[in-house]
Amino acid sequence: ETGVTQSPTHLIKTRGQQVTLRCSSQSGHNTVSWYQQALGQGPQFIFQYYREEENGRGNFPPRFSGLQFPNYSSELNVNALELDDSALYLCASSAVGGGRTDTQYFGPGTRLTVL
Amino acid sequence: GDSVTQMEGPVTLSEEAFLTINCTYTATGYPSLFWYVQYPGEGLQLLLKATKADDKGSNKGFEATYRKETTSFHLEKGSVQVSDSAVYFCALISTSGTYKYIFGTGTRLKVLA
Repeated sequence: ETGVTQSPTHLIKTRGQQVTLRCSSQSGHNTVSWYQQALGQGPQFIFQYYREEENGRGNFPPRFSGLQFPNYSSELNVNALELDDSALYLCASSAVGGGRTDTQYFGPGTRLTVL
Repeated sequence: GDSVTQMEGPVTLSEEAFLTINCTYTATGYPSLFWYVQYPGEGLQLLLKATKADDKGSNKGFEATYRKETTSFHLEKGSVQVSDSAVYFCALISTSGTYKYIFGTGTRLKVLA
């Protein structure tokens, strides 16, 4: 069974640029959530996708957007990058479309640095 | 809104010492509770979970009990090892709107040989 994978591992961008991060969910999982983890902080929920539809969003501006594909892989797009967007971006997949007992499995993350 | 509060680190212990990392939560409804561990340069790994009051989650010698009366989910281990050095995150699944995870700020544990 393949776990959650993310690409790229590291990325350096300059302010104002756009970036796309990718995530492949664990086999059999149809729900993907994205989190931003700033240095020394806990992960913050960005949004969740279930069966290719956005299924909830945290307190992030519209320049953070996403997609989920028919194979349940996902992309996170960030436009007009700001210095504060520098963080570890984590993708997590789960099997049952959310729910109070749902367990999310995390990928290794993409480290984004904005200069 | 829902929130999780963890004790601040870093926590430094000698090998074979007893570990407690405190976690309390605020939530509407009855959330499930989790402990995740993050090793340097890696993502989060599920350590244990509990889905209802008085449940005890356990894994790899770690334990935590869901205490509804004190809204707590403290992590314990009887004898830590150097390999347990990592950052530990307490989390809950919010039952308000989307079922999203809400994490604490993390507690860094350093175990000395």
